[in-house]
Amino acid sequence: DGGITQSPKYLFRKEGQNVTLSCEQNLNHDAMYWYRQDPGQGLRLIYYSQIVNDFQKGDIAEGYSVSREKKESFPLTVTSAQKNPTAFYLCASSMGRDALSQPQHFGDGTRLSIL
Amino acid sequence: AQSVTQLDSQVPVFEEAPVELRCNYSSSVSVYLFWYVQYPNQGLQLLLKYLSGSTLVKGINGFEAEFNKSQTSFHLRKPSVHISDTAEYFCAVSDYGQNFVFGPGTRLSVLP
Repeated sequence: DGGITQSPKYLFRKEGQNVTLSCEQNLNHDAMYWYRQDPGQGLRLIYYSQIVNDFQKGDIAEGYSVSREKKESFPLTVTSAQKNPTAFYLCASSMGRDALSQPQHFGDGTRLSIL
Repeated sequence: AQSVTQLDSQVPVFEEAPVELRCNYSSSVSVYLFWYVQYPNQGLQLLLKYLSGSTLVKGINGFEAEFNKSQTSFHLRKPSVHISDTAEYFCAVSDYGQNFVFGPGTRLSVLP
């Protein structure tokens, strides 16, 4: 069964700590995305990658970092520079190099909270 | 850059009644249009998409949407809703690969 797996489902961060959210897909999609979802604000794009070893900043990249060493994996690190990290984080993927015009498939999300 | 407006943040409706969720967009170029549904604590699932061709698009779970270029709208409709349709619905727009933008969402509550 192909899909996107995000882990963990719930994550807690202490002040000043970096945390990494995992996203793995077995859909053989070229492009992968990270979104942040806050109540009443829809989805905001953090980073996206259309090909291995390449990624671009989205609308709210400050305080976040990503890597794309493998086609299947696109981990997101929430750094201590992100002052308001509490949110629901969604990973998505889509087919093809012209990825931004294709429908996106989503994981079930990671809910990050500050201790 | 394009933008997406979903005028209704919340829509309550009784079971078996029809529903329309509104979506308007602004873009200086032609677009692709999508509707997604999100159930609590889950990711988004694609309901339907408009890429080209017929302006009336049918999706999963009995939903359909109509693309109206002159009104820059892509409203989602269902003739008879079920309790299980209670969820948040997102309209999204892509301007042929340059940007992919989601609307703020509409929370549909189906009442017994």
